[in-house]
Amino acid sequence: AQSVTQPDIHITVSEGASLELRCNYSYGATPYLFWYVQSPGQGLQLLLKYFSGDTLVQGIKGFEAEFKRSQSSFNLRKPSVHWSDAAEYFCAVGGFSGGGADGLTFGKGTHLIIQP
Amino acid sequence: DTAVSQTPKYLVTQMGNDKSIKCEQNLGHDTMYWYKQDSKKFLKIMFSYNNKELIINETVPNRFSPKSPDKAHLNLHINSLELGDSAVYFCASSQEVSRGGYSNEQFFGPGTRLTVL
Repeated sequence: AQSVTQPDIHITVSEGASLELRCNYSYGATPYLFWYVQSPGQGLQLLLKYFSGDTLVQGIKGFEAEFKRSQSSFNLRKPSVHWSDAAEYFCAVGGFSGGGADGLTFGKGTHLIIQP
Repeated sequence: DTAVSQTPKYLVTQMGNDKSIKCEQNLGHDTMYWYKQDSKKFLKIMFSYNNKELIINETVPNRFSPKSPDKAHLNLHINSLELGDSAVYFCASSQEVSRGGYSNEQFFGPGTRLTVL
């Protein structure tokens, strides 16, 4: 069965500092990997995705993520965080099972707090 | 020009009632989903429909019944509401690129916060 682990429930970072959010996945086939962000009371916005090719993917808002197959990881990074980055971040895995659309399996989320 | 829309945004109701949440996407996608986000913000797939056909039905009580009148709509009907049904329900859609090349990038609606009293 597929699964996603985000080991950090909360992370606190000072504004302007760098950020790394961890994500490990388990998936039986070629994974499609995603990072979504959810601001309080809002829906989910896609930050970036990995399907194939270059293992370092660039997303919106200055985020990037690196796919490491050997470590089953897809960590999210940002070189300098802004106060507006405070939100809940979700890593997700999905794919094509042959029977049609796979729903995404989400991690439990990492709550990012930005200190002034 | 909202891509995936849901109505209502908030729904407050009594235990035992029957309610529906509507979802519409104008992206031309052929697959739609319902997810439930609980109070701990954990997101879990409930259903998936592809071209009006049910593809995924996770372990969800049969009080929950998705209905897809056409490709652009996937409504969620809930019978005999219980306190534990209180959650935020998200609709999403995606487009199959080609067989074996399915991208599964899902576009989410804004969510419907259901409160059962």
